[in-house]
Amino acid sequence: EAGVAQSPRYKIIEKRQSVAFWCNPISGHATLYWYQQILGQGPKLLIQFQNNGVVDDSQLPKDRFSAERLKGVDSTLKIQPAKLEDSAVYLCASSPAYEQYFGPGTRLTVT
Amino acid sequence: SQELEQSPQSLIVQEGKNLTINCTSSKTLYGLYWYKQKYGEGLIFLMMLQKGGEEKSHEKITAKLDEKKQQSSLHITASQPSHAGIYLCGADMIDKIIFGKGTRLHILP
Repeated sequence: EAGVAQSPRYKIIEKRQSVAFWCNPISGHATLYWYQQILGQGPKLLIQFQNNGVVDDSQLPKDRFSAERLKGVDSTLKIQPAKLEDSAVYLCASSPAYEQYFGPGTRLTVT
Repeated sequence: SQELEQSPQSLIVQEGKNLTINCTSSKTLYGLYWYKQKYGEGLIFLMMLQKGGEEKSHEKITAKLDEKKQQSSLHITASQPSHAGIYLCGADMIDKIIFGKGTRLHILP
């Protein structure tokens, strides 16, 4: 069974630029999560989708972050414009019910 | 809001030694996840505990949830280099997981 796929694995941008991350969950998993993990911290939930609807986006900085999950399958997370404090690993996870399966993450460096 | 505190933050042990990592919750847990993360990679699911007093084992790793469901411990027996990484506990909030900051484990050969 293929795992959660994410791309790119690494991205370096300058502040005020835009960036997008892509996630393809495990086939059949209805729930998809985006997490932000700052160095030395645990992952923080940014947004949770159930199929193509948003369940929880309370910690998503909506002035600069946006996410969508068209057709209830893959998802994109966008940052526009990026700030230095957005440097982090962005993790995508999918779940059939309770257990979450994580992708390898995208490491973003904002300079 | 739910908060999880992990201790220690960092741990260095000699290969072959036993070790314990703790996770303490500010509130009663519905369930508690343990994940392992290697640097630059995603999280790997280890175990989930739901019942007070529950204990689960996988290979040389044992996790327990106390009777009051506010503290969990992860115990590694006869540690190996492959056990090195970051161990994260996560509180089951029914529809999401709240993570602790993690414990960084180093194994000395």
